[in-house]
Amino acid sequence: GIQVEQSPPDLILQEGANSTLRCNFSDSVNNLQWFHQNPWGQLINLFYIPSGTKQNGRLSATTVATERYSLLYISSSQTTDSGVYFCAVNYGGATNKLIFGTGTLLAVQP
Amino acid sequence: DAGVIQSPRHEVTEMGQEVTLRCKPISGHDYLFWYRQTMMRGLELLIYFNNNVPIDDSGMPEDRFSAKMPNASFSTLKIQPSEPRDSAVYFCASSDPGTGDYGYTFGSGTRLTVV
Repeated sequence: GIQVEQSPPDLILQEGANSTLRCNFSDSVNNLQWFHQNPWGQLINLFYIPSGTKQNGRLSATTVATERYSLLYISSSQTTDSGVYFCAVNYGGATNKLIFGTGTLLAVQP
Repeated sequence: DAGVIQSPRHEVTEMGQEVTLRCKPISGHDYLFWYRQTMMRGLELLIYFNNNVPIDDSGMPEDRFSAKMPNASFSTLKIQPSEPRDSAVYFCASSDPGTGDYGYTFGSGTRLTVV
């Protein structure tokens, strides 16, 4: 089956710093999403981005489907950005069925 | 919209008891998903529905697990009998790909502890 690898596994930043999280996947996909799980456990959808680039405030994401990777950029990080960031892609021939990576744990220190 | 609503938020039960988790998807969303999150296995898909019909239940771990969606606004995940290894956070999510956006919206989850 498809493999989803995220890097780095964990990251510590000072407030105000920028970061790039990476998601590699082993097969072609037509559904890729980024999620943030906050310290209270809530999973928030950040982007649906099977290809191309999107931006939402301080966050942006780029997916290069032909090269099987996606990047999530966080600029001017804030303590509220702390948590786990998951990449998820579709699998099993179904567009709407997602498998999740193991996540990147981000800690932003004041 | 109030988002995806799950209940209860926390459930502690004794081994062997029946547990029922509930989910109300976002109105108009025609896909509903049940996921389980554990430290060891991460987030794993258990089952998903399209227009109230189960499409893929290959992730349901064993016959002790069952899920239903009697109407577009309600789904249940039942575990009978429960075992300590079922302890996890269970999430429900919904989506509306008819808009062209396959983005999932997750509920707050139910933290299940089986003792």
